[in-house]
Amino acid sequence: TQLLEQSPQFLSIQEGENLTVYCNSSSVFSSLQWYRQEPGEGPVLLVTVVTGGEVKKLKRLTFQFGDARKDSSLHITAAQPGDTGLYLCAGALYNFNKFYFGSGTKLNVKP
Amino acid sequence: DAGVIQSPRHEVTEMGQEVTLRCKPISGHDYLFWYRQTMMRGLELLIYFNNNVPIDDSGMPEDRFSAKMPNASFSTLKIQPSEPRDSAVYFCASSKKYEQYFGPGTRLTVT
Repeated sequence: TQLLEQSPQFLSIQEGENLTVYCNSSSVFSSLQWYRQEPGEGPVLLVTVVTGGEVKKLKRLTFQFGDARKDSSLHITAAQPGDTGLYLCAGALYNFNKFYFGSGTKLNVKP
Repeated sequence: DAGVIQSPRHEVTEMGQEVTLRCKPISGHDYLFWYRQTMMRGLELLIYFNNNVPIDDSGMPEDRFSAKMPNASFSTLKIQPSEPRDSAVYFCASSKKYEQYFGPGTRLTVT
């Protein structure tokens, strides 16, 4: 059983659409990260959130950490084909250096 | 900076053989992580080091797996003897604080 559950597992949308990916757990995290991974490469860190209720924006990407620090969401506005990839959330329980990864959301944005 | 360097990028070996994966972390980073990624289990932390000292090896699946970090610029993950179920992509990552930078991975196939 994964400590972090991501949904949906797969998402195929048209360019220009909006989407939200969810990362949920019954555990409380000291921090949570989102990564994007492209085929044949390692994950690349997008953002780290540490405060409950925190919202961070990275261009068209908006990340939110739940008030109780048990869940997070990633919202992409006007998706582009370059957003295609595997999106992973990762949470640290007590140790800021030991992260547990979710199973990932595979996003495909069609032109 | 060259980023995290891993070698080899691909390894194909027969069951029972010894396999050694290598990693050079980013200079100045004092944490080093080894992960394994499979379709079934996602991205799993195997072991991590701080200042060359193993801190948590609870993710190492069996005694067949061992990892060393003889100095700040080099680490190895060894599997002896290898088995088909060890087939996966193995990632090395390094960090200074809690922002991990991943290498490109080693795709291991054990036949």
